[in-house]
Amino acid sequence: DAGVTQSPTHLIKTRGQHVTLRCSPISGHKSVSWYQQVLGQGPQFIFQYYEKEERGRGNFPDRFSARQFPNYSSELNVNALLLGDSALYLCASSWTLGQPQHFGDGTRLSIL
Amino acid sequence: QQQVKQSPQSLIVQKGGISIINCAYENTAFDYFPWYQQFPGKGPALLIAIRPDVSEKKEGRFTISFNKSAKQFSLHIMDSQPGDSATYFCAARAGGSEKLVFGKGTKLTVNP
Repeated sequence: DAGVTQSPTHLIKTRGQHVTLRCSPISGHKSVSWYQQVLGQGPQFIFQYYEKEERGRGNFPDRFSARQFPNYSSELNVNALLLGDSALYLCASSWTLGQPQHFGDGTRLSIL
Repeated sequence: QQQVKQSPQSLIVQKGGISIINCAYENTAFDYFPWYQQFPGKGPALLIAIRPDVSEKKEGRFTISFNKSAKQFSLHIMDSQPGDSATYFCAARAGGSEKLVFGKGTKLTVNP
């Protein structure tokens, strides 16, 4: 069975640009969460969506937004990119609330 | 504010030895404590998890020990193998929330 899939795997952008990252959860999973992992640190929670509704938001600026589609896939959008946004962006899915989260391999975003 | 403190930052163990990684938390609302294993270029993979109603959970060579009164939990890897060389993250989640709070990680190296 396919795990959590994320695209693209790598992305290079310049400051001020906008980026969209995509995530397909494990089949049957309805909850999707997004995390940011800076090099050498643990993942930091950004958003969580369940049944297309935002259920949690971490301490990130309004430049970060996300949504979940009827097929439970999700997009993370980041506007006005800053150098500090360079990180590995991870998507995790679980079949419902309160269940273990399984991560994809992430999108490596580099800001020049 | 770091809610989950993980130590050591790095650990070197000989093949066949026991690897021990410790975590401490502050938030008494946490009720789910997973451990993740991350290889370079990959996302975190769920290894084992525990809830505070038990003091120990074992899965193969991996054991979680949990001390609710001390607000500490640890991962023990028995018979450590070179293939176990990776970064390990402890995490915690409060009831009713999907947000995982991660430690900063421990880089484990198992020498052959």
